[in-house]
Amino acid sequence: GAGVSQSPSNKVTEKGKDVELRCDPISGHTALYWYRQSLGQGLEFLIYFQGNSAPDKSGLPSDRFSAERTGGSVSTLTIQRTQQEDSAVYLCASSPRGSGLETQYFGPGTRLLVL
Amino acid sequence: QQQVKQSPQSLIVQKGGISIINCAYENTAFDYFPWYQQFPGKGPALLIAIRPDVSEKKEGRFTISFNKSAKQFSLHIMDSQPGDSATYFCAASRGGVDTNAGKSTFGDGTTLTVKP
Repeated sequence: GAGVSQSPSNKVTEKGKDVELRCDPISGHTALYWYRQSLGQGLEFLIYFQGNSAPDKSGLPSDRFSAERTGGSVSTLTIQRTQQEDSAVYLCASSPRGSGLETQYFGPGTRLLVL
Repeated sequence: QQQVKQSPQSLIVQKGGISIINCAYENTAFDYFPWYQQFPGKGPALLIAIRPDVSEKKEGRFTISFNKSAKQFSLHIMDSQPGDSATYFCAASRGGVDTNAGKSTFGDGTTLTVKP
């Protein structure tokens, strides 16, 4: 069966532009997570969705970052007025139920480069 | 404040050798400790995981050793192979269906190179 998919796989943008990153979770998974992985770093939690609501947005690094999820499925992470420090791999994971890492399946990530 | 500290940052091992990666955590509320393997251009894939009620878990060539009192856990890769060359991440999370479920914390990763 299909795993978690993310698009685009790579994105190069200019400083100040807005970008949208998409995550398609595994069908039927109610929980969806966004993480950021900077070069040489571990994963940094950004936001968690249970259905369409986000009980925890505490990991979003600034108000330039926002995310939404519609229909309990696809999620979009939007970064406004991108900065060079936003360059990273953005990973999405989904889970059949809201829980810790034990049930999360990761997508391949979107590699974002802000010039 | 980093809640999970991983070492070493990089590791080179000869084929057939034992690779050992260590992690230390701070939050005693964590109850699930996975290790992930990540190849370039791919997302992390769960390799093996342990809960604090056991001190060791073995799956094939991979073993987790867990020391609850010291708040440390380690990954041992026996008979290391060139195909094991990847980045390995430890993590800690708290299970449950609540807002804290997503607040997992990861180590910074160890780049393992297994030489033929």
